[in-house]
Amino acid sequence: DAGVIQSPRHEVTEMGQEVTLRCKPISGHNSLFWYRQTMMRGLELLIYFNNNVPIDDSGMPEDRFSAKMPNASFSTLKIQPSEPRDSAVYFCASSWGAPQGTQYFGPGTRLLVL
Amino acid sequence: GNSVTQMEGPVTLSEEAFLTINCTYTATGYPSLFWYVQYPGEGLQLLLKATKADDKGSNKGFEATYRKETTSFHLEKGSVQVSDSAVYFCALTLNTGTASKLTFGTGTRLQVTL
Repeated sequence: DAGVIQSPRHEVTEMGQEVTLRCKPISGHNSLFWYRQTMMRGLELLIYFNNNVPIDDSGMPEDRFSAKMPNASFSTLKIQPSEPRDSAVYFCASSWGAPQGTQYFGPGTRLLVL
Repeated sequence: GNSVTQMEGPVTLSEEAFLTINCTYTATGYPSLFWYVQYPGEGLQLLLKATKADDKGSNKGFEATYRKETTSFHLEKGSVQVSDSAVYFCALTLNTGTASKLTFGTGTRLQVTL
């Protein structure tokens, strides 16, 4: 299996621009998670889906952030408009077999907002 | 609420030294416990896990025992290698719900020198 795939791997944008991060989970997994990692705040869960349905979005920092999962093989995390404080590494992870299913992480998208 | 506390890093060891990274947790139920490892520039990888009290997880020479009485899950390795240099995250998930939502510690950076 190819593992969790994220794109792009690196993104540099200017403040105010829209940013879209993409994730393809492992085939057959039914849960998908979006995390943000920064030096200051560590690893934060933003939102997670089960069977394509958002279960908990309490970690989404504000309305500028939105996430969708239109089907079992694709999810997006969108930031509009972006701000410099959004600069971070964003990870997607997927799992199967709740509640103890192991989460498999993608390589991450490193976002820099200037 | 649920939380995970890890020892502050960085931990610097010479090759072949003994490693312990402390992890304690607070949970409202009976969690499963995990150690994830993050190598530079990569996503997190599951290192080992334990799903009930007194279970021992092990992988690649690393071990951790689920201690309910002390609410701990300390990571140990008898002889570290330079290639073990990474950030180690302790995490828990509760054995309820529809998805394996993880609560992470802040991570402990390990640096192994020759």
